[in-house]
Amino acid sequence: QQQVKQSPQSLIVQKGGISIINCAYENTAFDYFPWYQQFPGKGPALLIAIRPDVSEKKEGRFTISFNKSAKQFSLHIMDSQPGDSATYFCAASDNDMRFGAGTRLTVKP
Amino acid sequence: NAGVTQTPKFQVLKTGQSMTLQCAQDMNHEYMSWYRQDPGMGLRLIHYSVGAGITDQGEVPNGYNVSRSTTEDFPLRLLSAAPSQTSVYFCASSNQGPYEQYFGPGTRLTVT
Repeated sequence: QQQVKQSPQSLIVQKGGISIINCAYENTAFDYFPWYQQFPGKGPALLIAIRPDVSEKKEGRFTISFNKSAKQFSLHIMDSQPGDSATYFCAASDNDMRFGAGTRLTVKP
Repeated sequence: NAGVTQTPKFQVLKTGQSMTLQCAQDMNHEYMSWYRQDPGMGLRLIHYSVGAGITDQGEVPNGYNVSRSTTEDFPLRLLSAAPSQTSVYFCASSNQGPYEQYFGPGTRLTVT
């Protein structure tokens, strides 16, 4: 039973568009919510993360929106570029890390 | 800094064989972990360690053993490989517990 549910499974966006990936969780003990980016044949790399006392965090073109009452958080990629094409994983952590199933993002030139 | 290194990159085993996946980090991180990645399932935690001499089970520990004799190394042992253990295995480390983990490049294991 997946503790973190991620959608969509795959996403195709035009260059310059906004990519949005959503995640939902059940365990209210989670206190850290990261997003990882993974390119084929590589390990996941931490992209951006948020704590539940903050509703939004922005780093460059990447923004996390966090809704504690709804137990949901999302990743927004502004001005999406072909180089952003990768698989993105959301995760949630308290004593250990639970990952979503991943979203394969394709940005078309 | 090499970061987190894993060996081998690829391995093929026959059912019932044993092997050890190696993981090392040179960042002096106390927390280390092993995950397996399967299509459509994200990454699932196998075992983790909060420091030398201390290990604990994660979400999917059956069929795997770990030990942590030094801060740098955290090997994962498969005692009797099964086809269900065909997966990509990632090791990760952190100096902040399960937060801000750095992942290695992975080991792709096939059990026939």
